Amino acid sequence: GENVEQHPSTLSVQEGDSAVIKCTYSDSASNYFPWYKQELGKGPQLIIDIRSNVGEKKDQRIAVTLNKTAKHFSLHITETQPEDSAVYFCAALFTGGGNKLTFGTGTQLKVEL
Amino acid sequence: DVKVTQSSRYLVKRTGEKVFLECVQDMDHENMFWYRQDPGLGLRLIYFSYDVKMKEKGDIPEGYSVSREKKERFSLILESASTNQTSMYLCASSADQITGELFFGEGSRLTVL
Repeated sequence: GENVEQHPSTLSVQEGDSAVIKCTYSDSASNYFPWYKQELGKGPQLIIDIRSNVGEKKDQRIAVTLNKTAKHFSLHITETQPEDSAVYFCAALFTGGGNKLTFGTGTQLKVEL
Repeated sequence: DVKVTQSSRYLVKRTGEKVFLECVQDMDHENMFWYRQDPGLGLRLIYFSYDVKMKEKGDIPEGYSVSREKKERFSLILESASTNQTSMYLCASSADQITGELFFGEGSRLTVL
């Protein structure tokens, strides 16, 4: 079935450093890859997404890259700040048997002062 | 501001009880979803609905049912709660069935004793 693997499960960085979270997906037909951020006590919120016709997308300190051949995509956060501390989820839209968004298992990012 | 409201933030129920989790969105979205979130497993789709009185099974529908009598309201029902249904339940809605942003509620933490 559809599968999205996400690594690492936990990530600790110093403030100002970069953070990278990686995901791989199983279905080569997937064409939409969003990233969600979940702060403590809240529901996940979309922070950036990428479609399969694009290799990279940036939004200020956040960027996402997509390698369709290798079926993996990554989230890059530069100049990390304490407010970046949260759980991050990648997801892939699988189109077989109806359009369903399958999420990765999440990465707990901690930005230390 | 868009809003998805889940009626209960915390619930404690006993094994065998019938449990209703209510979700209301004020964005006139067609699509609504129920996920459960467990450590190490990410977000898993239970049921979703693309229209009033319509429902589709997600990846883990066993032990659950749903009701969508009105566009703005999507209810998750546990007919006979079991301890393995102790979890965080997240409701979401979206305007676009294919690649629409999911708007999540803050979650309902259910404990089944």
